Amino acid sequence: GDSVTQMEGPVTLSEEAFLTINCTYTATGYPSLFWYVQYPGEGLQLLLKATKADDKGSNKGFEATYRKETTSFHLEKGSVQVSDSAVYFCALSDLENNAGNMLTFGGGTRLMVKP
Amino acid sequence: ETGVTQTPRHLVMGMTNKKSLKCEQHLGHNAMYWYKQSAKKPLELMFVYNFKEQTENNSVPSRFSPECPNSSHLFLHLHTLQPEDSALYLCASSHEGHLSYNEQFFGPGTRLTVL
Repeated sequence: GDSVTQMEGPVTLSEEAFLTINCTYTATGYPSLFWYVQYPGEGLQLLLKATKADDKGSNKGFEATYRKETTSFHLEKGSVQVSDSAVYFCALSDLENNAGNMLTFGGGTRLMVKP
Repeated sequence: ETGVTQTPRHLVMGMTNKKSLKCEQHLGHNAMYWYKQSAKKPLELMFVYNFKEQTENNSVPSRFSPECPNSSHLFLHLHTLQPEDSALYLCASSHEGHLSYNEQFFGPGTRLTVL
């Protein structure tokens, strides 16, 4: 079955540091890939997405590139802010297996940014 | 009101109580979901409804009973819960389609505490 693996947190960085959160996936089909973010006390929000190989999703300074050859979708940001402190979830949707109706989530990575 | 709303935001109940969680989406979607988010555990998909029909039940105990009266509303009826059921319950919605990737929109969640 499909699966998503993320680096375990928490990840603690100082403000303006470079961020990388690793995400790799296993899928039998040709999935779409997502990063969701959950701020304290809130539900999940879609941060960015990519639907085919070599696509780069980007939003709010965050980027992730769909790498089919390494089955990865690592999240990066060049300069984090305290307001980026949240839990980040990598996810995939495998149209071939479930008509796009199901998301498979990774375990989440907590990011803590200190001033 | 826009997006996905959930009520109540916080709920404390005893093990013998009966309560219901409500979710409403204003996005014109035709699929709705219940997730359970516990501390230190991955996001767990509980139920999926497509066009008001339940299409997924991930071995959820019968003390959780979903109801989807129409494509905009989703309920989770709770009875005789256990303390380990304490968690954040998230509702989501999406447009289900065989040719489109599955972007889910989440509500803010209901924080449930079972005493």
